[in-house]
Amino acid sequence: KNQVEQSPQSLIILEGKNCTLQCNYTVSPFSNLRWYKQDTGRGPVSLTIMTFSENTKSNGRYTATLDADTKQSSLHITASQLSDSASYICVVSALTSGTYKYIFGTGTRLKVLA
Amino acid sequence: NAGVTQTPKFRVLKTGQSMTLLCAQDMNHEYMYWYRQDPGMGLRLIHYSVGEGTTAKGEVPDGYNVSRLKKQNFLLGLESAAPSQTSVYFCASRIKNRDRGRLVPQYFGPGTRLLVL
Repeated sequence: KNQVEQSPQSLIILEGKNCTLQCNYTVSPFSNLRWYKQDTGRGPVSLTIMTFSENTKSNGRYTATLDADTKQSSLHITASQLSDSASYICVVSALTSGTYKYIFGTGTRLKVLA
Repeated sequence: NAGVTQTPKFRVLKTGQSMTLLCAQDMNHEYMYWYRQDPGMGLRLIHYSVGEGTTAKGEVPDGYNVSRLKKQNFLLGLESAAPSQTSVYFCASRIKNRDRGRLVPQYFGPGTRLLVL
């Protein structure tokens, strides 16, 4: 069964600190992995997209890594800001018969405190 | 560009009532999607469309119907609402992958909160 599991469920950090969010998946056939940021009451916004051949991709203070062998990904946030408070969703895509299927994780809820 | 917009933002229905959720995008995207988001669960695909006049079932299509009469609009209908359909509904869109080596993101709307009593 295709599954995406994220940890931790929630995280509280102080402003300026770094943090790392984890994503483990069992999706086949794997096509790509995406990280989204979802502010409370808003729709998700894309942060990074990686194929199996990419092992790291950055978007400002956000850096995603991918280990396709162990089927793990992480999202590292550097020098956190209050505006980073949000849910972070890992999404794994499978390409089957020419159609992408997106499997969403349940997200990690991050709270950044001043 | 407004991006992806959804109407209404919030709605309360009684069991058995019907309603239509409207999604509109002004980015000329071919692909459009309807998802529902429930507490403790990842977004689940209800229906999707790969172009004007075409729709397909997703993971949880029962109780919903869709139509894509115009490229920019994707409508989600509930013919007879049930309490189990209480959820937040998100519409998303993306361009068609014309270059397999270049991946494109989905753009999401702000969501519609639906409460069925």
